Amino acid sequence: QQQVKQSPQSLIVQKGGISIINCAYENTAFDYFPWYQQFPGKGPALLIAIRPDVSEKKEGRFTISFNKSAKQFSLHIMDSQPGDSATYFCAASMYSGTGTASKLTFGTGTRLQVTL
Amino acid sequence: KAGVTQTPRYLIKTRGQQVTLSCSPISGHRSVSWYQQTPGQGLQFLFEYFSETQRNKGNFPGRFSGRQFSNSRSEMNVSTLELGDSALYLCASSLRAGTYNEQFFGPGTRLTVL
Repeated sequence: QQQVKQSPQSLIVQKGGISIINCAYENTAFDYFPWYQQFPGKGPALLIAIRPDVSEKKEGRFTISFNKSAKQFSLHIMDSQPGDSATYFCAASMYSGTGTASKLTFGTGTRLQVTL
Repeated sequence: KAGVTQTPRYLIKTRGQQVTLSCSPISGHRSVSWYQQTPGQGLQFLFEYFSETQRNKGNFPGRFSGRQFSNSRSEMNVSTLELGDSALYLCASSLRAGTYNEQFFGPGTRLTVL
């Protein structure tokens, strides 16, 4: 019940195209859904995050779509650029009480390659 | 503002040895979490510290332990190393404990167990 399933495992998109990565979860107690971007040799960096009270959040070229009833959320990268080539992880966490941090449960990652 | 720093960046150990990894959070951040990243298992939560207290623990054996100091710096220790402990160990800090607080990750320590 703690799993977050992510697909696809890898993705090749042409420059200017739309990259779409999907995640699904089982635990309805999750209430925070961030996406992380990781470049080789670096730690993950927060890209965008959403809470289940909204269905969509957009920041620049990055959009999260959230479907609470289906327990699914996705990342859309518009006008994909070669610099977006990285591994993307979805994650989920739940509130665990005052004074406690949120444990992130990560998806398995999607390696995105944006070609010229 | 300096980011999360982890030392050492690379480490090679042999089976049976023990290892200590260090993490310095962003100045002012009081919560530190540790994650293990491997190609097979992905990113898995190890434990989380806030105000020198372990607040949360993942499903790892007791060989994995950690602590946090009064300046919020954290260390994690792995005893009796096994080949399967080879991984990238990531530390993340956040300003406060609790959901919705962005976690900032360090570059990680690459541990190789021979």
